[in-house]
Amino acid sequence: DQQVKQNSPSLSVQEGRISILNCDYTNSMFDYFLWYKKYPAEGPTFLISISSIKDKNEDGRFTVFLNKSAKHLSLHIVPSQPGDSAVYFCAARAFQGAQKLVFGQGTRLTINP
Amino acid sequence: GAGVSQSPSNKVTEKGKDVELRCDPISGHTALYWYRQRLGQGLEFLIYFQGNSAPDKSGLPSDRFSAERTGESVSTLTIQRTQQEDSAVYLCASSQQRYNEQFFGPGTRLTVL
Repeated sequence: DQQVKQNSPSLSVQEGRISILNCDYTNSMFDYFLWYKKYPAEGPTFLISISSIKDKNEDGRFTVFLNKSAKHLSLHIVPSQPGDSAVYFCAARAFQGAQKLVFGQGTRLTINP
Repeated sequence: GAGVSQSPSNKVTEKGKDVELRCDPISGHTALYWYRQRLGQGLEFLIYFQGNSAPDKSGLPSDRFSAERTGESVSTLTIQRTQQEDSAVYLCASSQQRYNEQFFGPGTRLTVL
């Protein structure tokens, strides 16, 4: 049962434009969401997070939006840069119970010059 | 400072053999996690340690999988009688406290022939 879904396996965006990566979840117990970025042969690197009590969190070029009623979050990268080309994973955590992160399948973002 | 390290970086083994994967978390991090990533999939939780105890082992796929952590530092993940479906990248992460951001190591790529 896939509790966190990233329905787009890949996304191609022109340098300088906005990249929007989407993530849907099914478990209403999730109360904290994270985005990780992964380069080949490296472990995932934390990018940005958002608590369920917020609907937006911004850090430089990266903004995460959370729509709890739709159980949907998105990561906006603007402006997109070639170094942003990587696989992006959405992850979620439930405060009560397990400490584990539940990950989506990932979206491969390619930024074209 | 030093990040999470894992060894070996690559392991090729024959079906039926046992393997041991090692994780050195960031110094002072009390929480340690093991995940695996099969080809084209998201990260799949295996086990969580708080200190030397493992309050959540719910992700271990079978009794062939076990893990231990000693001295609140190094952890080893052992897979006995490996099967081809065990082939994956095994990732370790650590965090300072239970609910903090998880920092990932580069992973061990396991190939079972």
